[in-house]
Order: sequence, then C-alpha cells, then structure tokens
Amino acid sequence: EVQLVESGGALVQPGGSLRLSCVASEFTFSSYWLHWVRQVPGKGLVWISRINGDGSITNYADSAKGRFTISRDNAKNTVYLQMNNLRADDTAVYYCARVWAARQPFDQWGQGTLVTVSS
Amino acid sequence: DIQMTQSPSTVSASVGDRVTITCRASQGISSWLAWYQQKPGKGPKLLIYEASSLKGGVPSRFSGSGSGTDFTLTISSLQPEDFATYYCQQSNSLPFTFGQGTKLEIK
Repeated sequence: EVQLVESGGALVQPGGSLRLSCVASEFTFSSYWLHWVRQVPGKGLVWISRINGDGSITNYADSAKGRFTISRDNAKNTVYLQMNNLRADDTAVYYCARVWAARQPFDQWGQGTLVTVSS
Repeated sequence: DIQMTQSPSTVSASVGDRVTITCRASQGISSWLAWYQQKPGKGPKLLIYEASSLKGGVPSRFSGSGSGTDFTLTISSLQPEDFATYYCQQSNSLPFTFGQGTKLEIK
C-alpha cells in the first residue's frame, strides 16, 4: 500500500526550529515531486513547498521563503522540512503529499503532523 | 497568486440528494483543477483531477466539469460516507492554491 508518514511535529517556542520528516513506502520515491501543505486546525489548506525527484528544484510559498528548507534523501525514501525562526502563525498540521508530474494533483497524502508554536 | 473561491461554504443535504459545489479561479487556469475530500483528522483524498478526470477507485457518482475560471463538482446521489469537507485546488501556477472548503453536512 502506498503510504506517506509524517513525523517530527512538536510544541516549540517562537523563534525555535523544527525538522519534519515524511517517509514514503510502496512506490518509486525518486520519480515523484514531494510537497508540504499545512492546515490550521479547522481552517483551509495552504501550500508551503515542493521539491522535484532528484532534489535539484525547490519552490516555496512567500510565508516559507528564507525560513523553511525542503530537502529529500532518496536512499531513505524521505522528504524533510526544516523550519527555522518559527512564529505563532506557523501553528498547523503539516502534510506531505506526492505529485507524479508538474501541474498534476496531490494524489497521495500523509496523515499529518501537528506543529504548535507557543511560549 | 491565483485566488480560488468555493461556494457554498456549507451545504446541508440528505442521503440520495444531488449536490453541486462550485469553484471559481481569479484568473484562467485551463483545466488544471483538482477536487479533494477531507474527513476530520485525516489527510485529503483526491477525487477529480484535470477538472473532469475521475481518480481510479473513486465512485462514479462524483464528477467534475469546467475550464478556464469556473468549475463544478457534482455528487449525483449522496451516500452516508460522502459527508465531509471538499476543496478545489489549482495547479496551473505557483503558489498552488486551494479554495476555502465546502462542508457537506447531513440535513
């Protein structure tokens, strides 16, 4: 069964850092773009970042530029989101999702990991 | 950024009803539109892509239409498992953006 499993969410103080991980299984990981999307509980979905199959292309939402870094390790079937200088408005459930080609939809999502930024 | 606007925000319906949700893009996105279903505590699930293509395994009571700026998701005969929140999403250009969601409630 195709799966994406996120981890790393936690309670962190404003200005702190956190690294999220998303481990994939049962598909050819390096063939897919991987994205991070977040959702404030009870609110809508917001795209954060993406990375292509070999890691050579990355893109970020304005809210993430300069603070978040997406990366991947194809040998470990894992995509990461390094989040620095966290703010209260970064509090959300973070999902990873895969895309099989540019402009295609998110055809598989993880279950999400909760990040809470609070003092 | 392309703004996606869904309507209605909430719809109340009964099992067996036909329901239509609309999504409007602030500029043309060709057919680069997807629809997702999300249930509480779960990640979204893809239903429709490229505006009208049904993902494999998704029941045929779900259908999508539209191109350019105006799109619709139709559920032809609601089943109990369809009560959830639905989102549209454009993949025409970065940043990818979602509609605000439509909550489908039991009447």
